[in-house]
Amino acid sequence: AQSVTQPDIHITVSEGASLELRCNYSYGATPYLFWYVQSPGQGLQLLLKYFSGDTLVQGIKGFEAEFKRSQSSFNLRKPSVHWSDAAEYFCAVGPFTGGGNKLTFGTGTQLKVEL
Amino acid sequence: DAGVIQSPRHEVTEMGQEVTLRCKPISGHNSLFWYRQTMMRGLELLIYFNNNVPIDDSGMPEDRFSAKMPNASFSTLKIQPSEPRDSAVYFCASSLGSDTQYFGPGTRLTVL
Repeated sequence: AQSVTQPDIHITVSEGASLELRCNYSYGATPYLFWYVQSPGQGLQLLLKYFSGDTLVQGIKGFEAEFKRSQSSFNLRKPSVHWSDAAEYFCAVGPFTGGGNKLTFGTGTQLKVEL
Repeated sequence: DAGVIQSPRHEVTEMGQEVTLRCKPISGHNSLFWYRQTMMRGLELLIYFNNNVPIDDSGMPEDRFSAKMPNASFSTLKIQPSEPRDSAVYFCASSLGSDTQYFGPGTRLTVL
């Protein structure tokens, strides 16, 4: 069975500092990996995704993530955090199938940004 | 595109009442997903459809929950009878095949 672990429930960083959110997955084959962000009272918005190709993936809002197969990780990074990045971040994994993708989400990491 | 549309945005009901949540997926998408989000359990997939056919409903908590997709542009999630423990935010998402799932704004359900 596929699973996702986000070991950090809460993270606090200062505005302008760098950020790394951790994500480890368990999946038997090549996974389809996602990072979503959820602002309070909102739905989830896709930041970036990985299926194949370059293991460093660029996303929206200046975020990037690196797929490391040997470590079963897909950590999210941003070189300089803005106050508007405060939100909850979810990593997700799923198979790449022809129809419908049953994703498993991590428990989320709540990011707080100090001004 | 208007994105995934869910209604109502908020629902407050009393225990034992029937609740119906509605979702309109993005036009052209052929997969639709219902999720439930709670503090205790996080984001859980309840059921998903592909080409209007339910593919996996293993996440549906019990017989009180049912979901339908009568056509490609509409789906409902029904809870009958509702219980306080059903209080949660329910999200609908849609995708084109295995591509990105786009989420709606959610329905916040409170069962008193």
